[in-house]
Amino acid sequence: DSGVTQTPKHLITATGQRVTLRCSPRSGDLSVYWYQQSLDQGLQFLIQYYNGEERAKGNILERFSAQQFPDLHSELNLSSLELGDSALYFCASSVAGGSFNEQFFGPGTRLTVL
Amino acid sequence: DQQVKQNSPSLSVQEGRISILNCDYTNSMFDYFLWYKKYPAEGPTFLISISSIKDKNEDGRFTVFLNKSAKHLSLHIVPSQPGDSAVYFCAASASGTYKYIFGTGTRLKVLA
Repeated sequence: DSGVTQTPKHLITATGQRVTLRCSPRSGDLSVYWYQQSLDQGLQFLIQYYNGEERAKGNILERFSAQQFPDLHSELNLSSLELGDSALYFCASSVAGGSFNEQFFGPGTRLTVL
Repeated sequence: DQQVKQNSPSLSVQEGRISILNCDYTNSMFDYFLWYKKYPAEGPTFLISISSIKDKNEDGRFTVFLNKSAKHLSLHIVPSQPGDSAVYFCAASASGTYKYIFGTGTRLKVLA
């Protein structure tokens, strides 16, 4: 158990809908990262937050947005969903936001768009 | 543009033998590299890392080698155990970018 929690574990929805994925980092970690893993793909970095502020952005679509709240939990919002958005979404956390920090991953949320 | 590549999608090794997983990168600004292991239905877990100032880092049965001139790193597992069967991801980061670039993973199967 990494100490990072993600809810829900599974999510099935229809095209055009909007969903919210939630992540609670490890106690004491200030940084949260979101990744997408599609079938047979590596982990695609989406976005990072550090202590409530956006720190880095990766290949995140405009239909996707995220935020980190004062209690440090984070939410990833996916809207106007398409079939291709079906994937595993992982959240990770680290103590600080720099490059030399081990990231601890949650178990992921499996999103299925029908 | 895949900056971190794991060209072998899968690898099978006999228990007790050495497993060698390879990773190539294209961005010369990368200066920190990590390996993660992932079991089904779980998130990736950190295995071992190496900074670009080193060419080798060892932790128990796991050793990572870095060849900067070839932009290549490898993970050696000796001896391999059935519990090592998992998907292994390498990742790279450049100072100041605050993000990791992951490879597509190599599925290791250790045969008993």
